[in-house]
Amino acid sequence: RKEVEQDPGPFNVPEGATVAFNCTYSNSASQSFFWYRQDCRKEPKLLMSVYSSGNEDGRFTAQLNRASQYISLLIRDSKLSDSATYLCVVRTYKYIFGTGTRLKVLA
Amino acid sequence: NAGVTQTPKFQVLKTGQSMTLQCAQDMNHEYMSWYRQDPGMGLRLIHYSVGAGITDQGEVPNGYNVSRSTTEDFPLRLLSAAPSQTSVYFCASSYSATGGRETQYFGPGTRLLVL
Repeated sequence: RKEVEQDPGPFNVPEGATVAFNCTYSNSASQSFFWYRQDCRKEPKLLMSVYSSGNEDGRFTAQLNRASQYISLLIRDSKLSDSATYLCVVRTYKYIFGTGTRLKVLA
Repeated sequence: NAGVTQTPKFQVLKTGQSMTLQCAQDMNHEYMSWYRQDPGMGLRLIHYSVGAGITDQGEVPNGYNVSRSTTEDFPLRLLSAAPSQTSVYFCASSYSATGGRETQYFGPGTRLLVL
């Protein structure tokens, strides 16, 4: 079983839609949680850290459920520019990446 | 700050050749790591380092060596290249090696083709 699992998608949604991604992790000792964004053939970049109480950054909301060991990302009012692959990342001391979920926002 | 730099950007090797992928960071980060990314596989950790002189294996270490003689540099060596090592290689660094919310900063990647 992979340490971090994500639905690979693709998720094809119309502009303005709300879309949610989930991610599960297996190591209960994991300390820190992140969502990264990766555009085609580019390096990953941090989208947001995920805090236990949940956190929001504009149209993006991240949630963490330690008991069930899953992390979620909600994107509201999707834009064409949100089209990318979203990577769930879990850290003990090393960072472990999920395989990513592809999002395509359609005009 | 240049951030994380990687060289070369592209490389073509023949099976059996060796080479070193260079990675450097100028942010005084403790933690550095190498990943490979293949279609449908996500980023897989090859090796990582929590400080100068300290390295450890990740998920897919076979066929690769690393060393960390300075805080700034973390080269990845392919000992005898194989077609299965055709991939995109990313180097990354973060401030703390002991776990924490610091983001990892990535280099632009090295695209390697082994014939």
